[in-house]
Amino acid sequence: EVQLVESGGGLVQPGRSLRLSCVASGFTFNDYAMHWFRQAPGKGLEWVSGISWNSGYIGYAESVKGRFTISRDNAKNSLYLEMNSLRAEDTALYYCAKDVVVVISGASDIWGQGTMVTVSS
Amino acid sequence: DVRMTQSPSSLSASVGDRVTITCQASHDISIYLNWYQQKPGKAPKLLIYDASNLQKGVPSTFSGGGSGTYFSFTITSLQPEDVATYYCQQYDNVPSITFGQGTRLELK
Repeated sequence: EVQLVESGGGLVQPGRSLRLSCVASGFTFNDYAMHWFRQAPGKGLEWVSGISWNSGYIGYAESVKGRFTISRDNAKNSLYLEMNSLRAEDTALYYCAKDVVVVISGASDIWGQGTMVTVSS
Repeated sequence: DVRMTQSPSSLSASVGDRVTITCQASHDISIYLNWYQQKPGKAPKLLIYDASNLQKGVPSTFSGGGSGTYFSFTITSLQPEDVATYYCQQYDNVPSITFGQGTRLELK
């Protein structure tokens, strides 16, 4: 079964850090780019970051640039998001998603169930 | 960044109705536009890619069209299971990817 399983979310104080993980199964992980998206409670979808199959091309939304770092370990079929200097506005459900091609195209056909990040004192 | 203006923000229609949602880009994005469906409490689902291509396994009652700055998404005959929020997503200036605000579709 093709699936993505996120973990690492939780309640964190403003200014602190958190690391999200996503483990893939059921497909050849290193054949595809991967993304992190997020959705604040009751709000729309926002792309956070994307990484090409070999980590050679990485992109970030302006809202997280300089604070978040995306990475992947193809040997472990895993995607990560290191989040530093967290703000209240980073509170959201974070989704890991698979692109349809090796480079960042934007079309994501497989999504995880999401992991909730709450930034609050 | 490319700004996507999606309309309407909400829509109420009856079973069997034809429903159309539009998305306008702030500048020419060719055909680099996707459409997603998100049901309450669920992850988004890719329906249409590259403006008009139906994702594998998606019913043919869904369709998309347009290019440049104006795009449309149509459900030819609304079914109860189509109740969801629909989003357009542009990827013209990858890696910057942006979504429309979403359209909440309800049954009348």
